[in-house]
Amino acid sequence: GESVGLHLPTLSVQEGDNSIINCAYSNSASDYFIWYKQESGKGPQFIIDIRSNMDKRQGQRVTVLLNKTVKHLSLQIAATQPGDSAVYFCAEIEGYSTLTFGKGTMLLVSP
Amino acid sequence: DTEVTQTPKHLVMGMTNKKSLKCEQHMGHRAMYWYKQKAKKPPELMFVYSYEKLSINESVPSRFSPECPNSSLLNLHLHALQPEDSALYLCASSQDRDIYEQYFGPGTRLTVT
Repeated sequence: GESVGLHLPTLSVQEGDNSIINCAYSNSASDYFIWYKQESGKGPQFIIDIRSNMDKRQGQRVTVLLNKTVKHLSLQIAATQPGDSAVYFCAEIEGYSTLTFGKGTMLLVSP
Repeated sequence: DTEVTQTPKHLVMGMTNKKSLKCEQHMGHRAMYWYKQKAKKPPELMFVYSYEKLSINESVPSRFSPECPNSSLLNLHLHALQPEDSALYLCASSQDRDIYEQYFGPGTRLTVT
């Protein structure tokens, strides 16, 4: 289930389940969105991106959904594996400005 | 080579010390970035270099001084830091400032005592 810890929301799933990580973004003018994965002791790693003229994009085992009406972004991970355990950040960008990262969600996958 | 490297991995420094963080990429990227990340928080942008010129300084205190000696290297010079500056310092690069996919290094874990 999902819980909000002291600082970081946490999603706990079983191996093999599908995971859905949500992100509410703030800028209605943002036109590009990225999901990053950050494992412990490492820098963020690009997972998938989506432009604002799309509402869905699929990668390998991952799907990003964008709902501009409610300014909501989600990352779906199919058949979650222990190696997917990490903190996931959404990031938004408007025009030629800089990336703004969301708060992050910790995904914990148990065997 | 799709790697951004950072040295050192860990750094402990006193408030009167001067030290430097180094970042290197050999992907031919022309934009490079410094971010600061506190525990369980998202990265916060500090500086952006585009074509070796500083293009963004996000109101960072002058005790942090960036330098881009060439297109592959980015340094962050540290002087008279405060304990609250303790954080993970991440370097990133992208093909261009207009290309948003940024490649991040592993970071330098800085502790100021």
